Amino acid sequence: DIQMTQSPSSLSAFVGDRVTITCRASQSVSTYLNWYQQKPGKAPKVLIYASSTLQSGVPSRFSASGSGTDFTLAISSLEPEDFATYYCQQTYDIPWTFGQGTKVEIK
Amino acid sequence: QLQLQESGSGLVKPTQTLSLTCAVSGDSISSGDFSWNWIRQPPGRGLEWIGYFYHTGSTYYNPSLKSRVTISADRSKNQFSLNLNSMTAADTAVYFCARGRQLWTHPFFDYWGQGAAVTVSS
Repeated sequence: DIQMTQSPSSLSAFVGDRVTITCRASQSVSTYLNWYQQKPGKAPKVLIYASSTLQSGVPSRFSASGSGTDFTLAISSLEPEDFATYYCQQTYDIPWTFGQGTKVEIK
Repeated sequence: QLQLQESGSGLVKPTQTLSLTCAVSGDSISSGDFSWNWIRQPPGRGLEWIGYFYHTGSTYYNPSLKSRVTISADRSKNQFSLNLNSMTAADTAVYFCARGRQLWTHPFFDYWGQGAAVTVSS
């Protein structure tokens, strides 16, 4: 299985801060990398697919990049509704696997 | 607007079989280039992909669960189901169904159900 490792596991930030989350794959996943946002008690919501493509309806303050084994999700200016847990997912090889999550909390 | 809704047993005894159904409305599970997936999330933990049913009828499972899992579809009812046998406490989780979409050959989950909480306990 391809292991996905996110860092940090959690972070605290102020509204308006720029935040970056990284995701590293145990082997190359090309650009088969997605990012999801999950709020407590809710299902995840896709933000980014194919490494850098913004899903329809997702605010442009979210962006992502990377290929191969190293990926980054950035939020340019945190809004109150962005405090949540973020997961990366590889769909390069079955079984599709997720990172362990990064919890973004209010400072 | 596509909607997915999980239903089924919320409490399962150890060694028994979990049965969950995902009812799909707003589109047919037989149309389009989509996969119909199950994903689970143990309490306070991350996400684990269980497997999917493809619109052609083929299925793919996570090897870690393959010996215990079956995903099937009832096209007449526009729903798909998960059966997971030999349940243990480690299978306690929220179980989500989700549609898998491919754009430029890149799969991702674009619609999710709200999740069904399943507890394994005697």
